Amino acid sequence: QAVVTQEPSLTVSPGGTVTLTCGSSTGPVTSGHWPYWLQQKPGQAPRTLIYDTYNRHSWTPARFSGSLLGGKAALTLSGAQPEDEADYYCLLSYSSGARPWFFGGGTKLTVL
Amino acid sequence: QVQLVQSGSELKKPGASVKVSCKASGYTFTSYGMHWVRQAPGQGLEWMGWINSDTWNPTYAQGFTGRFVFSLDTSVSTAYLQINSLKAEDTAVYYCARDKAGYWGQGTLVTVSS
Repeated sequence: QAVVTQEPSLTVSPGGTVTLTCGSSTGPVTSGHWPYWLQQKPGQAPRTLIYDTYNRHSWTPARFSGSLLGGKAALTLSGAQPEDEADYYCLLSYSSGARPWFFGGGTKLTVL
Repeated sequence: QVQLVQSGSELKKPGASVKVSCKASGYTFTSYGMHWVRQAPGQGLEWMGWINSDTWNPTYAQGFTGRFVFSLDTSVSTAYLQINSLKAEDTAVYYCARDKAGYWGQGTLVTVSS
C-alpha cells in the first residue's frame, strides 16, 4: 500500500512563489502515476487544477503549473493571490488496470 | 461541459441503508469509469474504489468491502453508491469523480445518527 507524502503546511506571501511537492513511498513519482493536484476550499468540493502531471483545466489559473521535480510531482504557484489560500491534495494512480487512487494528506497553504 | 451532479444530503439511523446518486452529463458515460471518495469531517480525501462504466466491474479499496456497493444505470448516465448497515463512523461527505482529467461532483453529506 503506497503512502503519498505532502508538506502539511506552507505559507507564501501575496505575489510570491511557492512549490508544493508530492512523494511516494514506493519510489520516484513519474508521469506514469498520472499526478493530479486538487484544490479544496472550506465547505467546497475538491476541484482538479492539474491532471496527468502538467495539464490544466479551463478553470485553472495560469499561475498554477505542474511538473516533476527530483522524483516528486510538484505544483508551483507563481504570484500567489489571497484566494489561493486552500488545502491542496496530490493524487497518484499506481496501476492502469485496477486504477487505485492514492491521496496525499494534503497541504494547507496560507497566503500571508 | 462535463458535469457530475450528486443527490442531496441524507440523515440516516444506524443500521439503515443509503443510496447516493451521481448523474453525469457532457460526455459519453460508458467511456470513463467513476471513482468514489470519502471525506470524514475535518479529514482528508480517502479513495473508496471505482466502477468501470464499460464493463460494470467494481473495484473496492481496502476498508470498503462488504457494506459498500457501486452500481450504474447507463440509461440515465448515473452512478450509484449504496452503503448498507450504516454506522456513525460513515458520517462523511461522499464524492463521485470521473476517471481521467478529474471532474468532481459537488458532494453528498451522509449523516448517521440515532
